[in-house]
Amino acid sequence: AQSVTQLDSQVPVFEEAPVELRCNYSSSVSVYLFWYVQYPNQGLQLLLKYLSGSTLVESINGFEAEFNKSQTSFHLRKPSVHISDTAEYFCAVQETSGSRLTFGEGTQLTVNP
Amino acid sequence: NAGVMQNPRHLVRRRGQEARLRCSPMKGHSHVYWYRQLPEEGLKFMVYLQKENIIDESGMPKERFSAEFPKEGPSILRIQQVVRGDSAAYFCASSRGQGALGTDTQYFGPGTRLTVL
Repeated sequence: AQSVTQLDSQVPVFEEAPVELRCNYSSSVSVYLFWYVQYPNQGLQLLLKYLSGSTLVESINGFEAEFNKSQTSFHLRKPSVHISDTAEYFCAVQETSGSRLTFGEGTQLTVNP
Repeated sequence: NAGVMQNPRHLVRRRGQEARLRCSPMKGHSHVYWYRQLPEEGLKFMVYLQKENIIDESGMPKERFSAEFPKEGPSILRIQQVVRGDSAAYFCASSRGQGALGTDTQYFGPGTRLTVL
């Protein structure tokens, strides 16, 4: 079984500040790692994913996440946030042999002017 | 190109009534997943279906809950005799089911918010 812990339930930051949303996972088998974003009243959208290869993955809107196997972490970062980044962010894992996603409890990122 | 459609977006039921939640996958997708998000919690897997088959229902409560994905039409999550504890957001996701697992991205619908009075 897997579990995902998102260490911060809420992260308030000012516009143009850097941000890190933390995610740690636990699994006895190999996993794939995902970050999803949920804007108000919308469904979850895939932000980025780690399957294999380079441990640093990037999204098209400036977010990046680094897979750290020794620390079982997959923290999400952005060097300079915009107000439009305000949303809830979910970290998720998936067994490489399975299809279900296991989610963390989410981090609400609020970007203030 | 429409994404995953869910309806209704909001559903209010009284205790003991039935709730039916519908999910239309993206065009070309034959795999459907249902997840539930209870208040203050993350999304929890419920069931994974392909057309006319339940592949994995290990996350479904043993009683009152059922799901189907018929050959024609949307996937249905059915909750009989609802109780207040069923109040939650129910999300559907779909995927193509092609390629290696993990590269088969799940696309989510906007969810159905169920409130049981």
